[in-house]
Amino acid sequence: QVQLQESGPGLVKPSQTLSLTCTVSGGSISSGSYYWSWIRQPAGQGLEWIGRDHTSGSTNYIPSLRSRVTMSIDRSKNQFSLKLSSVTAADTAVYYCARAQGENGWYYFDYWGQGILVTVSS
Amino acid sequence: QSVLTQPPSVSGASGQRVTVSCTGSSSNIGAGYAVHWYQQVPGTAPKLLIYDATNRPSGVPDRFSGSRSGSTASLAITGLQAEDEVVYYCQSYDNVVAHVIFGGGTKLTVL
Repeated sequence: QVQLQESGPGLVKPSQTLSLTCTVSGGSISSGSYYWSWIRQPAGQGLEWIGRDHTSGSTNYIPSLRSRVTMSIDRSKNQFSLKLSSVTAADTAVYYCARAQGENGWYYFDYWGQGILVTVSS
Repeated sequence: QSVLTQPPSVSGASGQRVTVSCTGSSSNIGAGYAVHWYQQVPGTAPKLLIYDATNRPSGVPDRFSGSRSGSTASLAITGLQAEDEVVYYCQSYDNVVAHVIFGGGTKLTVL
């Protein structure tokens, strides 16, 4: 059974960089069949897709965050990561990592991490 | 404002049937892109409920079904149970913004 687990600081100061890691167990991140994604959810609000990465090196980010987002995959550790720079209070949310299955543009998220609350505050 | 429009809330009596709509446009659902549905219990991660409009992952009861027509997709839940009283999200892809999009979510109330 595939499992994903987010980790990282729960509190980040404004203007700093949010860094999260997602550890994948029960399956190899090196499988080219999947995209590895980050999705966030502000308190009481809906889901916002942030972006996705692939072992081919192909990434895609939501335009509104593209200038601040970097995603990467570490095959040796079976992990993928998210970095979001110059954060503000508007970036406060629960961040989920998720595995996406299917062709680009058609994929769905079949496995999710439990989510990690990241608060941006001084 | 979500590109995919869902009613903020729907309700139905226990044991009855309810549908949740997800209305898009010609650049997403209407363009033929896949539609998927998730169920989210408060405080937990979303769970895949329906993929590719009509398919249920293993373990999802057949009380849940999906359909699509034109630029709209629908999730139907029959035999409503108290445990169904959570939030449902639809998801697709939009070729104008060129990324994954979610609906705003629908809170189901079981009366």
